[in-house]
Amino acid sequence: RKEVEQDPGPFNVPEGATVAFNCTYSNSASQSFFWYRQDCRKEPKLLMSVYSSGNEDGRFTAQLNRASQYISLLIRDSKLSDSATYLCVVTPSNTGKLIFGQGTTLQVKP
Amino acid sequence: DAMVIQNPRYQVTQFGKPVTLSCSQTLNHNVMYWYQQKSSQAPKLLFHYYDKDFNNEADTPDNFQSRRPNTSFCFLDIRSPGLGDAAMYLCATRHGTGGRQETQYFGPGTRLLVL
Repeated sequence: RKEVEQDPGPFNVPEGATVAFNCTYSNSASQSFFWYRQDCRKEPKLLMSVYSSGNEDGRFTAQLNRASQYISLLIRDSKLSDSATYLCVVTPSNTGKLIFGQGTTLQVKP
Repeated sequence: DAMVIQNPRYQVTQFGKPVTLSCSQTLNHNVMYWYQQKSSQAPKLLFHYYDKDFNNEADTPDNFQSRRPNTSFCFLDIRSPGLGDAAMYLCATRHGTGGRQETQYFGPGTRLLVL
């Protein structure tokens, strides 16, 4: 079983749609959680950290459910520029290492 | 201004011919990482340095070596590249003193092609 699992998609949605991505992780001792965004042939860039209480940054909302070992990302009012691959990332214990999911590809169409 | 710089951005090498990829950082971060990312796959950690302390992932092939001569520079050496080593190689840094939520900063990557 992969340490971090995501539905690879692709998710094809129209502009303005709301889309949700899910991610599960296997290591219950994991301590830090992130969503990264990666554009085609570019490096991953941090989108947002994910906290137990849930957090929001503009149109983006991240949730963490430690009991179910589940992380989600909600994007509201999708823009064309949101088209990218979204990587769920987990840090096991205090290592500082990042364990990446395979990524979920989003394509927002006009 | 670029903070994590990788050179070259594209590298073509021949099967079995040693190749070195370089990474430099202007952030004065303690921790540097090398990841391998194959097409449509997740980045996979190869190794990382905390200052001069080298940490190899258990499943990193012996064909991959690394050097960190000083804080700013880190090199990835592939001793005998195979066709399966064609990938994007990503360097990342982290300050290393601010706790587990510290951000990792990625360089733009070097795309390696093996002929």
